[in-house]
Amino acid sequence: NAGVTQTPKFRVLKTGQSMTLLCAQDMNHEYMYWYRQDPGMGLRLIHYSVGEGTTAKGEVPDGYNVSRLKKQNFLLGLESAAPSQTSVYFCASSSYDNQPQHFGDGTRLSIL
Amino acid sequence: KQEVTQIPAALSVPEGENLVLNCSFTDSAIYNLQWFRQDPGKGLTSLLLIQSSQREQTSGRLNASLDKSSGRSTLYIAASQPGDSATYLCAVGYTGANSKLTFGKGITLSVRP
Repeated sequence: NAGVTQTPKFRVLKTGQSMTLLCAQDMNHEYMYWYRQDPGMGLRLIHYSVGEGTTAKGEVPDGYNVSRLKKQNFLLGLESAAPSQTSVYFCASSSYDNQPQHFGDGTRLSIL
Repeated sequence: KQEVTQIPAALSVPEGENLVLNCSFTDSAIYNLQWFRQDPGKGLTSLLLIQSSQREQTSGRLNASLDKSSGRSTLYIAASQPGDSATYLCAVGYTGANSKLTFGKGITLSVRP
């Protein structure tokens, strides 16, 4: 069972470059989330979506944009990458409100 | 601002020991509380979810309890094994937060053979 799949798994960018991280889930979940995990900071919510075509800001949304054009996909974009965005990015999904969140294996992003 | 605290940050125990991992939160208006496991280089795996109306949940050797009034949850691991070595995170969902979670920083557990 695939569950939540994140693409790519690793990436190195130069400052100012742009890129898109893809999250795909095959569980027909309504809710999807993007988190970043940094040493000493724990997991912080960047953006989330409560259904196809919807997005909302989380705790640390600056410098990121998202889109949920299809129910199974949630895209995270960095328009102009900065070294402060070096992190491990996790996507998660849940079937509905108040249900367990299922996580992907993460994307390790380094920005030089 | 809701805060979730997990102390200590790391714990090392011998195999076979029963152990308790603690989680505390500042706002008692919680919707649910989840415990996750994270292995090195991997994502998070949901272990247990406790609804705000529940006092505990059990799965195999794991038992999680919730005391909203004191702002605490504990994860009890019975008869620990080296395979239990991982980072354990608790996360709190708050009422009206649209299933958004606030995470603790985790407890890194090492079970020695």
